[in-house]
Amino acid sequence: GAVVSQHPSWVICKSGTSVKIECRSLDFQATTMFWYRQFPKQSLMLMATSNEGSKATYEQGVEKDKFLINHASLTLSTLTVTSAHPEDSSFYICSAPGARGETQYFGPGTRLLVL
Amino acid sequence: AQSVTQLDSHVSVSEGTPVLLRCNYSSSYSPSLFWYVQHPNKGLQLLLKYTSAATLVKGINGFEAEFKKSETSFHLTKPSAHMSDAAEYFCVVSGATNAGKSTFGDGTTLTVKP
Repeated sequence: GAVVSQHPSWVICKSGTSVKIECRSLDFQATTMFWYRQFPKQSLMLMATSNEGSKATYEQGVEKDKFLINHASLTLSTLTVTSAHPEDSSFYICSAPGARGETQYFGPGTRLLVL
Repeated sequence: AQSVTQLDSHVSVSEGTPVLLRCNYSSSYSPSLFWYVQHPNKGLQLLLKYTSAATLVKGINGFEAEFKKSETSFHLTKPSAHMSDAAEYFCVVSGATNAGKSTFGDGTTLTVKP
């Protein structure tokens, strides 16, 4: 089956620094990828849609200047949390749709802790 | 527009007894529906999916779900709970006509008592 990887799986950073998270589709191409955020004991909330060759589209309430998304190729999307603050500490998960679009393949997630 | 409602935030069962996790959905088109499980501090694991084929869907680890269009429901069941089933379960609706976006329910925490 289709596999999506994320790197890193864990990151701890100081407040004010920027953190980049990578999402890769390992054995298929994805013109679209999705980024989700999950706070402790909460559900996943869609943050943005990453589009290869064009700008990302952000959900309401998500700051596009804080969460920079770059869909560098058909197999790679990156999420950069700029000037991270403790309230950005969360579990970030990406997904990529399969060939027919209705099945999402989720990455294993990246846990971010901002001190 | 699409939405998902998981009717129970917490479900507690005894080991060996049946499990029922309830999910209702709303969608303006034919939806694809999924159940995922998430163990503590882990990623998501797909249990099963409905994509307009058979309405009774069998998944991994003995789980199954039935798509009922008239009731807009997609409840998850298992005949006999194991201790290892204790986790968070998410019902998800998605659709190719919605740019593939997935909408998650709020989750149901399943506790299995010995």
